[in-house]
This record gives sequence, structure tokens and C-alpha cells, in this order.
Amino acid sequence: DAGITQSPRHKVTETGTPVTLRCHQTENHRYMYWYRQDPGHGLRLIHYSYGVKDTDKGEVSDGYSVSRSKTEDFLLTLESATSSQTSVYFCAISEYSLRYGYTFGSGTRLTVV
Amino acid sequence: QKEVEQNSGPLSVPEGAIASLNCTYSDRGSQSFFWYRQYSGKSPELIMSIYSNGDKEDGRFTAQLNKASQYVSLLIRDSQPSDSATYLCAVGYAGGTSYGKLTFGQGTILTVHP
Repeated sequence: DAGITQSPRHKVTETGTPVTLRCHQTENHRYMYWYRQDPGHGLRLIHYSYGVKDTDKGEVSDGYSVSRSKTEDFLLTLESATSSQTSVYFCAISEYSLRYGYTFGSGTRLTVV
Repeated sequence: QKEVEQNSGPLSVPEGAIASLNCTYSDRGSQSFFWYRQYSGKSPELIMSIYSNGDKEDGRFTAQLNKASQYVSLLIRDSQPSDSATYLCAVGYAGGTSYGKLTFGQGTILTVHP
């Protein structure tokens, strides 16, 4: 997706290990979001950021932390991965979401074994 | 908790037919409404947005909003096999701590068969 990239695209990790997912944007958008997508649950907000060093929790934030030290980068860390965190993770960006919605990255498929 | 519900599907329509996708939302303060299309294994892609009561047309797509009934729909005319995807309804709020965040429905799987 133009202007927003996620890395890695796929990852398999072991239970109990820390994992960091990266979202990088070149659009200079203020707002960045991390969602997870699971069958039967749809897209659920984990954390979001409204500026450098300004972050807040979403509805499913337990076990996750985030950091945003630069406008372009938003990192999601699973502090100690569990099997329940096996999911597809999407990063999204927006400048004025109520008018333009979000633009999503390509996603990261994470498997915790 | 703000809720967004979509008709469960899956929805199957023949090529050339009209596909109708529905969404209801719980918060009367909702301000913005979006439809995303998601192909299998891909990320959601914005296809329609609507903010005022009534209809909004873009090519073969028409979004309809009725705030009194807390209902938003997406019509796809002349459906094509390439329209086969999951369609996500998203609702945006302008109030308080929810400002700017979108809440998504679970999605409706649409299959258009030749």
C-alpha cells in the first residue's frame, strides 16, 4: 500500500518471547493505529497514536505496548507472546479520519507456537 | 460500548444482480460512515464514505444512510465476480475519547457467481 509499510509480513515465534512489529509511513499523517483481525471478531483496536510520544489504549490492549518516537514509525510490541495473540495485525494511518477514513498497511501475519 | 453490526452472510448473488449489504450502529452520536472492501489475504480498502442522510453514488456503488434508524447500507449494482470479497462497515465518532477512532463491523462475505 502506497505510503504505509508493515514489517515483517509474516512471523512465527515461540510462546513467551517478545515480538516487535513495525509500521512505517511516508504520508506525514498525525494518527496511527494498530488493529488485530480475527475470525468472528473483525478488526479490533489495540493501541493508537495521535502524535509523537502520544499514545493511548484501544479495546484489546492487554499484553501489548506501543511506541512512537518519530512521526513516521509506530511500533507494536508483544511483551511475552501467547497463542491467543496469533492473529493478523494491521497498521492504519489517517490525517482526518472522520472525513477520509483510514489507509491500511498490508498486514503482518503472526503465529505464536 | 459502541457496536457495529452487519448482516452475517455469507451473501451469494448471481453476476449482474444487485448486492445489498447492511449495517446498524448503536451510538446516535456517530458522525462518519465508511465501507471497506477486503479481498482474501489482503488489507481493507476504502470504497465509500457517507456523512449525511440519503444516498451517495459512486459508479456501481451506492451508500445509503438513515441516522434516525441508525442504519447504513451499501448497494452494488451489476455485481461482478471481481466484487467477491468481505465488506466491512466502519463508523466514526466525534465525541470525547472516541474522537476519530473507527469501529468496525465483523464484515459480510459476498460471493458473486457467474
